[in-house]
Amino acid sequence: EIVLTQSPGTLSLSPGERATLSCRASQSVSSSYLAWYQQKRGQAPRLLIYGASSRATGIPDRFSGSGSGTDFTLTISRLEPEDFAIYYCQQYVSSPFTFGPGTKVDIK
Amino acid sequence: EVQLVESGGGLVQPGGSLRLSCAASGFTFSSYAMTWVRQAPGEGLEWVSSIRDSGGITYYADSVKGRFTVSRDNSKNTLYLQMNSLRAEDTAMYYCARGPGGSSWSPVGVYWGQGTLVTVSS
Repeated sequence: EIVLTQSPGTLSLSPGERATLSCRASQSVSSSYLAWYQQKRGQAPRLLIYGASSRATGIPDRFSGSGSGTDFTLTISRLEPEDFAIYYCQQYVSSPFTFGPGTKVDIK
Repeated sequence: EVQLVESGGGLVQPGGSLRLSCAASGFTFSSYAMTWVRQAPGEGLEWVSSIRDSGGITYYADSVKGRFTVSRDNSKNTLYLQMNSLRAEDTAMYYCARGPGGSSWSPVGVYWGQGTLVTVSS
């Protein structure tokens, strides 16, 4: 089973700042089969990024994904008020298709 | 418009069974892989199970293998999750999600329902 570790656990930032979220895998995620989701309180998750760096339909370009192998990053270039939420990574290279524990981005 | 509506959740005693349903509309259901993801209260997301478009291939988390069965009825545009031998740790919101489609399958959740709550308690 591929274990995903996300850091930091909580990121306290102000609107307009840059957010950098990390997702590290216990073994290589080949072909960059890694996705990022956003979840707000009381809502279902929303897909942001798939294939490590491809934005899902309708996702603003302030969200970007990068990385390969075991180290992946989600960057939010300038935080908007609606971006304060929890972010999860998920690997889908092999079953079980595990999620990371999440990074909470909250308002400083 | 893609819509996924889960139902079938509720309160069940430990050792009991429930069947969740996910009614799909707004797309050609038979062309897409489907996935169940759950979230215990105050916790993170946990992938539970996925099923390919034809239904012939299924995948399960170790925590539910042998107790849960995923299936689909493409004629009814409905996804199911049969949950047996339920435990307190199965208490969670259960979401269904649609995959991206295309030539190679993927368990990535592109569209999500709003979830149905399962509570396992005596």
